[in-house]
Amino acid sequence: DVVMTQTPVSLSVSLGNQASISCRSSQSLLHSDGNTYLSWYLQKPGQSPQLLIYLASNRFSGVSNRFSGSGSGTDFTLKISRVEPEDLGVYYCFQHTHLPLTFGSGTKLEIK
Amino acid sequence: EVQLVESGGGLVKPGSSLKLSCVASGFTFSSYGMHWIRQAPKKGLEWIALIYYDSSNKYYADSVKGRFTISRDNSKNTLYLEMNSLRSEDTAMYYCVVHTEAFAYWGQGTLVTVSS
Repeated sequence: DVVMTQTPVSLSVSLGNQASISCRSSQSLLHSDGNTYLSWYLQKPGQSPQLLIYLASNRFSGVSNRFSGSGSGTDFTLKISRVEPEDLGVYYCFQHTHLPLTFGSGTKLEIK
Repeated sequence: EVQLVESGGGLVKPGSSLKLSCVASGFTFSSYGMHWIRQAPKKGLEWIALIYYDSSNKYYADSVKGRFTISRDNSKNTLYLEMNSLRSEDTAMYYCVVHTEAFAYWGQGTLVTVSS
């Protein structure tokens, strides 16, 4: 199984500052079709996960341009610029290149 | 607008069975693979099952293999998860998710609690 190692476990950021979350996979997420199936989600309290980034670096429709994803192979990063109060919650990386599909363990973002 | 509405959750005793449903709308259900993903209370997300658009292939996480069965009825736009021999560790919110390159569409979930 592909292990997704997500760091840090928690993050406390002042409003207006940048946050960065890392996700490393135990195998390359490059699929034979040329795509890298790595997504980032934000789960707010009491809600389903909401998609932020897909295919490692594509921002989903309606997602603020303060969110950006980068990386390839086994190393990926989610950056949140100018953190706002509504950004609080738990962030997950998720790979769907290999079965079984696997998630990172989550990063809790708190606002200072 | 894509909508996924799960139902069928509840409180059950260890060893019992339960069948979850997910009614889909707003897209051509019969053209997409579907997944079940669960989340235990205050824990992370766990993928548990995938079914192809035409039910030709099904895949399961080891944690549920042999106990859970994923199925679908394309004429009813409905996805199912039949859960047998339930254990306390199956207690979770169960989400249905559409298989796309983005994995964007999730239902609101249905809560299954396994407790004596």
